[in-house]
Amino acid sequence: AQSVAQPEDQVNVAEGNPLTVKCTYSVSGNPYLFWYVQYPNRGLQFLLKYITGDNLVKGSYGFEAEFNKSQTSFHLKKPSALVSDSALYFCAVRDMRRSGGYNKLIFGAGTRLAVHP
Amino acid sequence: SQTIHQWPATLVQPVGSPLSLECTVEGTSNPNLYWYRQAAGRGLQLLFYSVGIGQISSEVPQNLSASRPQDRQFILSSKKLLLSDSGFYLCAWKDRVGANEQFFGPGTRLTVL
Repeated sequence: AQSVAQPEDQVNVAEGNPLTVKCTYSVSGNPYLFWYVQYPNRGLQFLLKYITGDNLVKGSYGFEAEFNKSQTSFHLKKPSALVSDSALYFCAVRDMRRSGGYNKLIFGAGTRLAVHP
Repeated sequence: SQTIHQWPATLVQPVGSPLSLECTVEGTSNPNLYWYRQAAGRGLQLLFYSVGIGQISSEVPQNLSASRPQDRQFILSSKKLLLSDSGFYLCAWKDRVGANEQFFGPGTRLTVL
């Protein structure tokens, strides 16, 4: 079965420290992977994606993610956290069970990132 | 550039009343459109998606329905709301071909009392 797991409900980081938000996936074939961020009472904002190519993907707001095929992981990282990074983060993988125009995404349950001053 | 609108932003409705939430997309043609519900500020549940006018796929059986009367308009409806319909409703769009990411609207907070 296809799935996305975000094993941490919450991640706490001090401002200025590096942060990692974990994501593992299970999907048939080559995965298309995504990260989104959600601020309170707002829609999801797209951060970055991995389709093919370099395993290290750079995205918005200084975030990057590393695709690791052997570990089926796609962890989100940032070298130096800001208080303003505090938000809910979602990992997603493209549903590969259908082709054509459907392109559904399977989302993880979300990880709340809290960056403390 | 493309933009996506949802309204209303917030809505408080009594149990048993009807519902209509609207989503429109600007700056693109023939998008895939999606309705999600987010409960308690966490996981997303895909409710409906559409690949064209009048083409609606339902992901879960429920009290809601969706329609796509125009290419860039997606409507979520209910004839009689239940308490369990409360939540944060998000509309999203995606290019039919090419880019795989979905882009989300600002959401509608629905409270059913």
